[in-house]
Amino acid sequence: DGGITQSPKYLFRKEGQNVTLSCEQNLNHDAMYWYRQDPGQGLRLIYYSQIVNDFQKGDIAEGYSVSREKKESFPLTVTSAQKNPTAFYLCASSMSGRTNTGELFFGEGSRLTVL
Amino acid sequence: AQRVTQPEKLLSVFKGAPVELKCNYSYSGSPELFWYVQYSRQRLQLLLRHISRESIKGFTADLNKGETSFHLKKPFAQEEDSAMYYCALTHIFGNEKLTFGTGTRLTIIP
Repeated sequence: DGGITQSPKYLFRKEGQNVTLSCEQNLNHDAMYWYRQDPGQGLRLIYYSQIVNDFQKGDIAEGYSVSREKKESFPLTVTSAQKNPTAFYLCASSMSGRTNTGELFFGEGSRLTVL
Repeated sequence: AQRVTQPEKLLSVFKGAPVELKCNYSYSGSPELFWYVQYSRQRLQLLLRHISRESIKGFTADLNKGETSFHLKKPFAQEEDSAMYYCALTHIFGNEKLTFGTGTRLTIIP
């Protein structure tokens, strides 16, 4: 079954702890993205990567970190420096370069709650 | 900087009535615009894109560069249209990040 898999679906964390959200895709897409979805604020881009071993900050990168060691994987770490980490996180992927149609394929999301 | 504005957070429409979800954008380059939809308990997915000039599920959207708008329209609303709708923008040649609006929750009243 092709697509994007995010895990875990729900995650609870104590303040001061780092947490890593997993995102894996088997669509052979070059580009991957992390968005944060908050009520009334839509989707805001955290980080994106257009190719392995390269990534760029999005609009709200502070307090987050990513890595892109494999084409299939783009994990997001929410660090203790993120001031308001409780949110719904969406991972997405797309083709890039000349084949890029602009369509993003999304995962089911991970809901992080900081206690 | 690119920006997408969806002025309505909530929109309720009676079944069979016309639907229009508003989207305005600001962008200095050549824009490509999209509408994404998230039905209850489903993933966010592409509904339609301007460049395809297509009608999906009865929805259409026209790019008005003079008014910098990309409103989503459907002549007769159906109950299954109830969902969260996001307008999004990127550069026409792609390879750039997609910027989303804040979304409009559409509810179709039976």
